[in-house]
Parts: sequence; C-alpha cells; structure tokens
Amino acid sequence: DVKVTQSSRYLVKRTGEKVFLECVQDMDHENMFWYRQDPGLGLRLIYFSYDVKMKEKGDIPEGYSVSREKKERFSLILESASTNQTSMYLCASSPRVPGELFFGEGSRLTVL
Amino acid sequence: EDKVVQSPLSLVVHEGDTVTLNCSYEVTNFRSLLWYKQEKKAPTFLFMLTSSGIEKKSGRLSSILDKKELFSILNITATQTGDSAIYLCAVRAGNNRKLIWGLGTSLAVNP
Repeated sequence: DVKVTQSSRYLVKRTGEKVFLECVQDMDHENMFWYRQDPGLGLRLIYFSYDVKMKEKGDIPEGYSVSREKKERFSLILESASTNQTSMYLCASSPRVPGELFFGEGSRLTVL
Repeated sequence: EDKVVQSPLSLVVHEGDTVTLNCSYEVTNFRSLLWYKQEKKAPTFLFMLTSSGIEKKSGRLSSILDKKELFSILNITATQTGDSAIYLCAVRAGNNRKLIWGLGTSLAVNP
C-alpha cells in the first residue's frame, strides 16, 4: 500500500525555536510537496521538489526552507518559528508523470 | 491569475439526500482536475478528470468535467453520515507540476 509518513502528528514549539518536519514516501516518487492548510485559506504550497537536491518555491516560501538529500525524504525547516506559522502541515508526493498526489497524515504545529 | 472556486462553501443535508458540489476554474493551459475528500486527516484521492463529458464513477460518487464551460461537478447519491467531510477540488495547469486548489466544500450529513 502506498504510504507517505510524516514524523510528528502534533508539535508545540516556542517562538524562535527551529522546527524540523520530516516526510518519507515509499513509492519511489520523484515529486514531493509541502503544504500548509489553514481555515478559510485552503491548501497553500510552501515548497516542492522534483528531484533529489532540487527545490522550487511555492506560493508562500517565506520563513521556510526545505531539504531533499534522498529521493524518499523531504524535510521542511522553520529556522525561527513564529506564531503565524501555527498551522496544519501536509506533505505529499506524486510520480514524475503527474497524476494524483498522495498525502501524509499531517503535522499540526502550534507555536506559542 | 489562475483560480479555482468551489461552491457552496458549506452544505448540510440529511442521510439519503443527493448532493452536487461545484468546482469552476480559470487557468492557463488546463491539464487535469482532481477531487479529494478530507475527513479529519489527510486528503484522500477520489477522481482525476482530463476529458470533457466522460463521467467517472465510484460507488455512490460520480464526477464529470465540462472543459467548454470550465467546471466540474461531484455528485453523491444516497448520502451517508460517513460522507461528512471537506471536498477539495484542484486543477493542474501550465507546466504540470503544481496544483491550484479551491477552498473546499464542507459537507455535513445528518442522520
């Protein structure tokens, strides 16, 4: 069965802390994505990656960075968390020839 | 600017009702339209539509795309409480890698 796994379901961090969110997929997909989801704003793309060590900014990259050192793993980094980064973070992957996205369970981050 | 608009934003029905959810879009170089269902966790894939007029069906759910009028509908017949969820529509356009998402329709099915 296809699987996208996000390392943490719930996190609580303090303002200014560094936050790592990890995502691993077992489908050998080339494309991986990080979204955040907020009420009334829908799904917004933060970053995506179409190959190892490649990354592209999405619609709201400010305050975030990403790392893709291995094909199966895509990490989202908040260098200095702020309260406006409190959100649900969703990782997804898709094959090179785009079809459906497969989503992880989500990581709910609260920044105090 | 590319955009995807879903309507209604929310809907409350009784078990057994039939519902129709709408997704309209304005994008450059349309490639495909996808429907997802999101309960408490991650969105799960329902349908991908690329051609006009061809209905996709899965049990009580069906969907169709109209590329001339730039919209899609998702139908759910004989609704059940388990259909309560947010239904998301997304369009793939342009260079094919990114999806443009609607805000979703929140459906509540009451017993």
